[in-house]
Amino acid sequence: DTAVSQTPKYLVTQMGNDKSIKCEQNLGHDTMYWYKQDSKKFLKIMFSYNNKELIINETVPNRFSPKSPDKAHLNLHINSLELGDSAVYFCASSSRRSGNTIYFGEGSWLTVV
Amino acid sequence: EDQVTQSPEALRLQEGESSSLNCSYTVSGLRGLFWYRQDPGKGPEFLFTLYSAGEEKEKERLKATLTKKESFLHITAPKPEDSATYLCAVQAQGGSEKLVFGKGTKLTVNP
Repeated sequence: DTAVSQTPKYLVTQMGNDKSIKCEQNLGHDTMYWYKQDSKKFLKIMFSYNNKELIINETVPNRFSPKSPDKAHLNLHINSLELGDSAVYFCASSSRRSGNTIYFGEGSWLTVV
Repeated sequence: EDQVTQSPEALRLQEGESSSLNCSYTVSGLRGLFWYRQDPGKGPEFLFTLYSAGEEKEKERLKATLTKKESFLHITAPKPEDSATYLCAVQAQGGSEKLVFGKGTKLTVNP
């Protein structure tokens, strides 16, 4: 019973391609996030959605477009992939009912070649 | 700008050798300070939340403490299975619930 699940876990693709990563949470949380962990293991927020509404966009290139069809899902679409996009992308969720603790998925390892 | 600095970057301990990890922070009003554990190839796993100076929380061999400027994660008599990267993060007061992370401390406990 994975709380925050994301697919795919591994993704290898060529420069210029478009790819998507999907995320689902079954915790009943109303806020979802995308975080990026670079090669130096530094974890940084990209986007946050609350009840399907975008509330945080941390100056991420327009090639990255999050979409939240409902409170339990937050997908990340990336256009025209570049070498520098290679990283681990983590989906996460939280709720004020749960003390604002953010719970993370297992990560999606993206490699652009 | 909210900032988190963790030290040391890496720490090697012998099994049973107690030590502490440091997390210094600057934030415009602290809502909470979070500690996570991250194993290789995995997502961060929640350990503790501390909300106010003087607060302490314990879980097995781990104890987290908080002052107005820093937090410590004390590891008592560590075991090899405690080896992981420990991440500290702050959440500021206000509408956003985002976490600002430090770069982590990689802990290795040798048997």
